[in-house]
Amino acid sequence: QQPVQSPQAVILREGEDAVINCSSSKALYSVHWYRQKHGEAPVFLMILLKGGEQMRHEKISASFNEKKQQSSLYLTASQLSYSGTYFCGTALAGGTSYGKLTFGQGTILTVHP
Amino acid sequence: DGGITQSPKYLFRKEGQNVTLSCEQNLNHDAMYWYRQDPGQGLRLIYYSQIVNDFQKGDIAEGYSVSREKKESFPLTVTSAQKNPTAFYLCASSIDDNEQFFGPGTRLTVL
Repeated sequence: QQPVQSPQAVILREGEDAVINCSSSKALYSVHWYRQKHGEAPVFLMILLKGGEQMRHEKISASFNEKKQQSSLYLTASQLSYSGTYFCGTALAGGTSYGKLTFGQGTILTVHP
Repeated sequence: DGGITQSPKYLFRKEGQNVTLSCEQNLNHDAMYWYRQDPGQGLRLIYYSQIVNDFQKGDIAEGYSVSREKKESFPLTVTSAQKNPTAFYLCASSIDDNEQFFGPGTRLTVL
């Protein structure tokens, strides 16, 4: 089942912060975060594993709440280069098909000068 | 340089024709994936393969077929049975369940 991302879109001024959420109705083993620029391939940001620690990529960090089956992506002091569509991809706990991800519908982030 | 390539970048097809999209990787990854992306939507898994000569259906496999005869290659055939094939197709590869590396994509348009 597809995870639900919120918000669907967010507009920021350079230097502002944003949070993107990804929620699943099923128990998760891991959550992946990717960013996609228009017309390009998605680029990996980070993986959150069940029982793992909060991850960080430059000024972008993420957390995974196992009880709520929810992950949040935190973008701090946003830069113009952060603009793009952010996708979470979830892998179910207890599955035998490791590597199989189900992606959310995406969150469009626009950063203005 | 190691990476994942897809060809062609743009592909036009007449209705009723089968077409094959190429995906090649030299990253020595065991797992490979095919996704479909429609405008304003997320990525939907078509097929994936965890090892040579083995593959599994994803969430939207109907109208598609794949083969995995070599570790480096995972071609996708879009058959005439696929009712709405116009989309952006992305291939990816990974080591186990770690980060997936994506190719540049093929944009397929049915005329």
